[in-house]
Parts: sequence; C-alpha cells; structure tokens
Amino acid sequence: DAGVTQSPTHLIKTRGQHVTLRCSPISGHKSVSWYQQVLGQGPQFIFQYYEKEERGRGNFPDRFSARQFPNYSSELNVNALLLGDSALYLCASSIWTGINQPQHFGDGTRLSIL
Amino acid sequence: TQLLEQSPQFLSIQEGENLTVYCNSSSVFSSLQWYRQEPGEGPVLLVTVVTGGEVKKLKRLTFQFGDARKDSSLHITAAQPGDTGLYLCAGAGAGGTSYGKLTFGQGTILTVHP
Repeated sequence: DAGVTQSPTHLIKTRGQHVTLRCSPISGHKSVSWYQQVLGQGPQFIFQYYEKEERGRGNFPDRFSARQFPNYSSELNVNALLLGDSALYLCASSIWTGINQPQHFGDGTRLSIL
Repeated sequence: TQLLEQSPQFLSIQEGENLTVYCNSSSVFSSLQWYRQEPGEGPVLLVTVVTGGEVKKLKRLTFQFGDARKDSSLHITAAQPGDTGLYLCAGAGAGGTSYGKLTFGQGTILTVHP
C-alpha cells in the first residue's frame, strides 16, 4: 500500500505570493494533519482535519488555511508568503482522531521563499 | 501551552557506545511517541508509550514513559552507524486540546561514528 504522498516535493516562491500544498493520506485513513518544520527544529502543528471538518488549529496566522476533500485528501494554502514561511511542510494521516492514534508522515514539501 | 524539552540537542558518539535521550515537560500527556527522521524524509514512528511507567523495547532501543506521564526517555544500547538520524519525541494532547495534535520536542541529532 502507498504511504502518505505529498506534492510538490520542492517549491520556490517569492514574498507575497501564495502557495497550495497537497497531501494524499494512506488508503483508509480519514484524518489528515499538517505540520511545519523549520530547519533545526521539531515539527509544529498547523491543522487537523477529520471527515472534512477542521478538528484542531495550531498557533499560526490566518494566512494559513486548509481543507479536506471527500476522498480525504487535503490541501494547505498559505497566502502573502513571508521569508519566515520557508520550511518543510509535513502531512500526516491516521485512521481517525483518537489521542493515541499513530500518525504516518509523508516526506514533506520543501518550501523556499526568496 | 504544552512544551516538550528534549535533550541533548546534539550527540556524537562512537560505534558500540550507549546513549540516552530525554524528553521532559511540565504538562501531562496522554501518550508519548518517538520518531526517527532522516534527511529529506518525514518522521517515522518508532514507538508509542501510553501508560505511566511503561517500558517498551525495540531491539537495541528501550523507551520509557515517566510515572506521571510528563517525561520519557530513549536509550540505545551498542549504537551503530545505522542509528544516525534525528530523533523526535512527541506528546499527544490531554483533555481540552486537539486530540490528534502532536507537540514535538526540538529533536536530537545523533551521529554514530564507525
């Protein structure tokens, strides 16, 4: 079975632009979470979606938004990009939103802002 | 805000040595997960500990969850070069926070020299 797939793998943008990152969860997984990992740090939680509804939001500005589609895939959108948005964006899927549900991560999208 | 302090941040050892990585918090977590991440890849789940005082072994890796569920440790016996990587601890939120949200530590970069 395929793991969590993310696209694109790398992306270069300039300040002020917007970006859309995509994630396909493992087949049968209904929950998708997004994390931002800045170089040298651990991932930081951005959003969690389950059954197309937002179930959790981290401490990120409104420039960050996301949605989940009927097939459980997800998109993360970031508007008005800043240099500080340069990071590895990780998507993780789990079967549901239970506290101790293991989360399976994709290999991320490396976003560079010039 | 739930924070996880992970130490040490960097660890450089010789093959065959033992090591311990610590993960501490002032908050109680429902579970603690340990991940390993290699360059260019997403984190891969190693283990989940759920019960206070729980000890789990995975070959040469031993994971322990503190009695109060506020801290955890990862001990590696007879480290090998293949153990090189970034080790991350992550706590699953307890009551009142997003069930699926993981709070990550800063990570420990382990280098094992042959």
